[in-house]
Amino acid sequence: AQSVTQPDIHITVSEGASLELRCNYSYGATPYLFWYVQSPGQGLQLLLKYFSGDTLVQGIKGFEAEFKRSQSSFNLRKPSVHWSDAAEYFCAVVLRPRNTGFQKLVFGTGTRLLVSP
Amino acid sequence: GAGVSQSPSNKVTEKGKDVELRCDPISGHTALYWYRQSLGQGLEFLIYFQGNSAPDKSGLPSDRFSAERTGGSVSTLTIQRTQQEDSAVYLCASSEGQSSYNEQFFGPGTRLTVL
Repeated sequence: AQSVTQPDIHITVSEGASLELRCNYSYGATPYLFWYVQSPGQGLQLLLKYFSGDTLVQGIKGFEAEFKRSQSSFNLRKPSVHWSDAAEYFCAVVLRPRNTGFQKLVFGTGTRLLVSP
Repeated sequence: GAGVSQSPSNKVTEKGKDVELRCDPISGHTALYWYRQSLGQGLEFLIYFQGNSAPDKSGLPSDRFSAERTGGSVSTLTIQRTQQEDSAVYLCASSEGQSSYNEQFFGPGTRLTVL
C-alpha cells in the first residue's frame, strides 16, 4: 500500500545538538515531498519541499532535507537545534500528477521533537 | 496579510448534536482543503474545493460529514449527529491554485470534542 512512514513518534535532542528526523515513503514512483512543522496551537507551516533537481534542499529556519531515491527517504536535518524548534514535524507526499490537477497531500503520523536545556 | 482563519477555535458538543466549523481562506486563494488530525492518526484529507465545486470528496469518512463553499471563499464543514470518534482537530488550508506546486497554507484548526 502507498504510505508515508515516520518511524519516530518522539525525539529528544539537547539544545545545540544536531537533529535528524526520518521519513520514508512507499510509492511506485518518486512523489513530491514536503516537511511541515506544527507548533502548539498553530497551524502547519511548510519548512521545505522537493519536486526535482538537487536532492539536498534548503528550507526555512535553518532546516534542510535530503532525498535519497535508493532508500525512499526524505530525512529532515538541522545542524544545531534551538529550544524554539520544539514542535511536531510532519512529512508529506503528493504523487507526481500526470497533469496539473489536484493531488492530495498524504501525511505521516508525525514526530514530536522535544528540546532539552 | 491575513492568513487562513478558522472558527471556533474550540468546540465541545454532546454526542448526537450537529456542529458547523468555519474556514476563511486567504483572499484570492481558489483552492481550499479540509483535513482531520486525530490523536495518533496524523492528518487525514477530507475534502477539496476548487472555487465552489468539490471535485474530491473522497476523504469524507461518512455521510454525516458534508462541506460547502460559497462565493469561492468561506467554507463550512458540517458534522451531523456527532459521535465520540469525531473528536479531533479539523484543519483548513488554502492555496492559490490546485497544482501540487502551490503551497497549502494552514489555519490554526478547530478542536472538536464530542462528549
